[in-house]
Amino acid sequence: DIVLTQSPGTLSLSPGERATLSCRASRSVSSNKLAWYQQKPGQAPRLLILGASSRATGIPDRFSGSGSGTDFTLTISRLEPEDFAVYYCQQYDTSYTFGQGTKVEIK
Amino acid sequence: QVQLVQSGAEVEELGASVRISCKASGYTFMNYFLHWVRQAPGQGLEWMGIINPSGGGTTYARAWMGRVNMATDTATSTLYMELKSLRSEDTAVYYCVRESYTGSGSYLFWGQGTLVTVSS
Repeated sequence: DIVLTQSPGTLSLSPGERATLSCRASRSVSSNKLAWYQQKPGQAPRLLILGASSRATGIPDRFSGSGSGTDFTLTISRLEPEDFAVYYCQQYDTSYTFGQGTKVEIK
Repeated sequence: QVQLVQSGAEVEELGASVRISCKASGYTFMNYFLHWVRQAPGQGLEWMGIINPSGGGTTYARAWMGRVNMATDTATSTLYMELKSLRSEDTAVYYCVRESYTGSGSYLFWGQGTLVTVSS
């Protein structure tokens, strides 16, 4: 199985700041089959990015995804109050696995 | 619009079985693979398995092979997941999810989640 390792575990930032979240795969994820999700307490996850860099329907353009192979990044250009949440990456190249999550908290 | 509506919370004893349903609407049921993903309290997301509603073919994650069974009822557009021999670590929220588009493995559509509590 492809293991996804997300870093950092927690990111403490203020509204308006830039957030950079990392997702590293234990081996190459082909065809950029990588997605990012946002999850708030008590809610189901919400798809943000698919195909490593394509925003899902209705996702604001402050969210962007990049990367290929084994290294992927989710960037939130300017944090809004509603962006403080937990973020997961997922690969769907070989079976399906998720990273352990990065919590973005208010500093 | 696409909706996945899951059955309500369950409390089960150690060693028992639980069956969760997920009714799909707003799209052609047979055209999209469906998955189950679970989340233990305070933990991350775990993929459990996938089912093709057209034909019923399944693939399960190694961790649950032998204990999980997924099925669909195409007449009612309903997905089922049965988990047997429940352990305390099976206490979790279980989500049914639909692929974003045919053949994609990303999940645009999620059920509301079903909490299963395993008690001793």
